[in-house]
Amino acid sequence: AQTVTQSQPEMSVQEAETVTLSCTYDTSENNYYLFWYKQPPSRQMILVIRQEAYKQQNATENRFSVNFQKAAKSFSLKISDSQLGDTAMYFCAFMRRVWGGSNYKLTFGKGTLLTVNP
Amino acid sequence: ETGVTQTPRHLVMGMTNKKSLKCEQHLGHNAMYWYKQSAKKPLELMFVYNFKEQTENNSVPSRFSPECPNSSHLFLHLHTLQPEDSALYLCASSRDPGGSGGDEQFFGPGTRLTVL
Repeated sequence: AQTVTQSQPEMSVQEAETVTLSCTYDTSENNYYLFWYKQPPSRQMILVIRQEAYKQQNATENRFSVNFQKAAKSFSLKISDSQLGDTAMYFCAFMRRVWGGSNYKLTFGKGTLLTVNP
Repeated sequence: ETGVTQTPRHLVMGMTNKKSLKCEQHLGHNAMYWYKQSAKKPLELMFVYNFKEQTENNSVPSRFSPECPNSSHLFLHLHTLQPEDSALYLCASSRDPGGSGGDEQFFGPGTRLTVL
């Protein structure tokens, strides 16, 4: 079974500083996708960044970037120049095809609550 | 309305009540999902619908009954729930779960359910 582990239940960072959230996963698959989702206090979950396992280049989206280490099964999220609006629960998620099925399955970690302090 | 909407946003029900949660997506997607989010636990996938057909039931108790009349609407019918079913229920949609893969799932705001 695929598992996703986020070892930091809570983190805090000062505004304008950089913070890194860690995520590890366990799989025997070779082709899969990895995501970071953000859930602000209003509860609407939104996608932050997406990485295809077959791509060696780390994904970046403005202030958000990942460090994808396939051999180590590690997928950390770096947030640069942190802003107050970045305060949220961050979920790491792993997606793989369900063998014999017609869809892809998304498995989430427990999340990291990030607080950005002024 | 845009994106994925869910009603009601909050629901309090007794264990003998019957209620329904509604989800609607305005994105033209073909796949819809129900997730359960409990405190300090990972999101749990409950059901997947692909082109209105249920393609996954993740061992969910029968007191939860999904319905997908078309690709834009998804319901979760609730009856004789238990207090441990209290949670945030999230609906999501994606373009096509059986396609090239890696499709982003778009989430609704959720229904906060409390079972007394």
